[in-house]
Amino acid sequence: GESVGLHLPTLSVQEGDNSIINCAYSNSASDYFIWYKQESGKGPQFIIDIRSNMDKRQGQRVTVLLNKTVKHLSLQIAATQPGDSAVYFCAENMGGDDKIIFGKGTRLHILP
Amino acid sequence: DTEVTQTPKHLVMGMTNKKSLKCEQHMGHRAMYWYKQKAKKPPELMFVYSYEKLSINESVPSRFSPECPNSSLLNLHLHALQPEDSALYLCASSQRNQETQYFGPGTRLLVL
Repeated sequence: GESVGLHLPTLSVQEGDNSIINCAYSNSASDYFIWYKQESGKGPQFIIDIRSNMDKRQGQRVTVLLNKTVKHLSLQIAATQPGDSAVYFCAENMGGDDKIIFGKGTRLHILP
Repeated sequence: DTEVTQTPKHLVMGMTNKKSLKCEQHMGHRAMYWYKQKAKKPPELMFVYSYEKLSINESVPSRFSPECPNSSLLNLHLHALQPEDSALYLCASSQRNQETQYFGPGTRLLVL
């Protein structure tokens, strides 16, 4: 099976609320994690990344949390806006090669 | 500039046709990638080029033939495709291996 997965295929959030998208991974050797946003008809867009020597990283309105103990990654989006509607993918690099493996994706719906 | 460009945006081809997809980046990245993405699925890695040499082929059928003429260009030559090969083909590049990958907008391919 896939080593990276997401807990929910679809997440609906009220505009202005915070969104939390979760991701589980199974490979302890993974040392680099990325979140991508993919809007309809477009390629994945890099949002934020984190290496395994960190447990939190913040960007503009986004925060990624990494819990290596339970192999869990999350993306928090503050004050969700209509433009945040997209599919969000987590991805991991297992170290030692050039591959990143994508999770299944979560579709984020913004409710007015 | 974090732009990866891909041409054409859309392509319709018959099963006996030969066509090529093109990808270009001018960020000085030394690793380039081809992915295939079916509807409602995550991108799946096909090929990786590192310093203009093929480093990973994910057991892709020989009807897909990648080429890296120089460090800025990546081609995907298509021949005798099947209808199930219809998908969004994404190109990505990264500064080095195991670094953040930046994606192009993709070529949407339809095989009739």
